[in-house]
Amino acid sequence: GQNIDQPTEMTATEGAIVQINCTYQTSGFNGLFWYQQHAGEAPTFLSYNVLDGLEEKGRFSSFLSRSKGYSYLLLKELQMKDSASYLCAHGAGNMLTFGGGTRLMVKP
Amino acid sequence: DGGITQSPKYLFRKEGQNVTLSCEQNLNHDAMYWYRQDPGQGLRLIYYSQIVNDFQKGDIAEGYSVSREKKESFPLTVTSAQKNPTAFYLCASSIRETGANVLTFGAGSRLTVL
Repeated sequence: GQNIDQPTEMTATEGAIVQINCTYQTSGFNGLFWYQQHAGEAPTFLSYNVLDGLEEKGRFSSFLSRSKGYSYLLLKELQMKDSASYLCAHGAGNMLTFGGGTRLMVKP
Repeated sequence: DGGITQSPKYLFRKEGQNVTLSCEQNLNHDAMYWYRQDPGQGLRLIYYSQIVNDFQKGDIAEGYSVSREKKESFPLTVTSAQKNPTAFYLCASSIRETGANVLTFGAGSRLTVL
């Protein structure tokens, strides 16, 4: 089977750092994706990890440990516009399985 | 600019009616997908198509139907057999050949059953 879990909600302060965790179980693995989705809008691609380690892209970084079935998205220097849902998804074959998403609220 | 266009953005349906959601892409992508999103939940796959004239059921295909007569188009019909159709529907596409599929999403269609 394929399961993917992430926290439902998180709150953080503007300017701070927040880490959103994701754990998964899958019989096949082609990579771990993070998408950002603002309310009522389409998800947009943030990052992709296929090998273990940290991928940094500006204020956003994503980490993967395949042996532990674990990933996190790290957001630095939080801005109010970062308030959104963050979706973790793992790829297997030509398919993506999404987690339930983590709703991040950034407060002043 | 290349992208995915979904229409309509909002749709209201009476119980017992079939409705069709449109999805058109000009990205020259081979693969197209339909996802359903309910409040506070992740995306669940309804149907996908990797090539013209071929499509496969996803995790929640019951009560839905699709066609893929053209590479650019992948319409979704929500039939009266779908018991709880009120949801946000997202169409997406990707380059078929890559094993790591970055999806490009449309803006979504919100269906409400009255």
